Amino acid sequence: GAVVSQHPSRVICKSGTSVKIECRSLDFQATTMFWYRQFPKQSLMLMATSNEGSKATYEQGVEKDKFLINHASLTLSTLTVTSAHPEDSSFYICSARAPGQMMIATNEKLFFGSGTQLSVL
Amino acid sequence: AQKVTQAQTEISVVEKEDVTLDCVYETRDTTYYLFWYKQPPSGELVFLIRRNSFDEQNEISGRYSWNFQKSTSSFNFTITASQVVDSAVYFCALSERSPTSGTYKYIFGTGTRLKVLA
Repeated sequence: GAVVSQHPSRVICKSGTSVKIECRSLDFQATTMFWYRQFPKQSLMLMATSNEGSKATYEQGVEKDKFLINHASLTLSTLTVTSAHPEDSSFYICSARAPGQMMIATNEKLFFGSGTQLSVL
Repeated sequence: AQKVTQAQTEISVVEKEDVTLDCVYETRDTTYYLFWYKQPPSGELVFLIRRNSFDEQNEISGRYSWNFQKSTSSFNFTITASQVVDSAVYFCALSERSPTSGTYKYIFGTGTRLKVLA
């Protein structure tokens, strides 16, 4: 099946620094990627939808200047947590949708990366 | 607004027992999709099943089976003869099309942590 690679798997940084997380689709071109955030023992919360070549669509309550998303190619989307603070510590996970799946009823499935555990000291 | 409820936060069973994970959803759409994902301790989400709203047939895949009941808005997941390797967090998710953007979005339940004891 399709593979989505997410790096790094774990990052520890100092408060005030910026952290970039990469999400790559390895064997398909992902026109749309999603970024989720998961707090311990909680569900995945959609942060933003990233479409290749256009600006990301952020969910209500998510600061777009804080969480910068770039989807410059069909195989790579990046999430940059700017000026990270301890409250940004969380598990971030990306997912990708292959082209043509937006409206096709029979094959709606997302492929998920392995996630990134961010710890801000 | 759509909503997915997994009322069971944690379940513990002994190996070889059967276990059912409950999922109840709310949606105003007539066309939607339901999913189950497994999240092992390593963190990645593993796709288990997708069901569209027009297909109420129950499905069996090995030790896994799913019961979709539109009348009760439920999509329950049963593991037969559970094994230690089944220990994970299981998420139920609903996907429906946004009327504004046209894209499909996933709404996840809060997950059920399954512990299978040897």
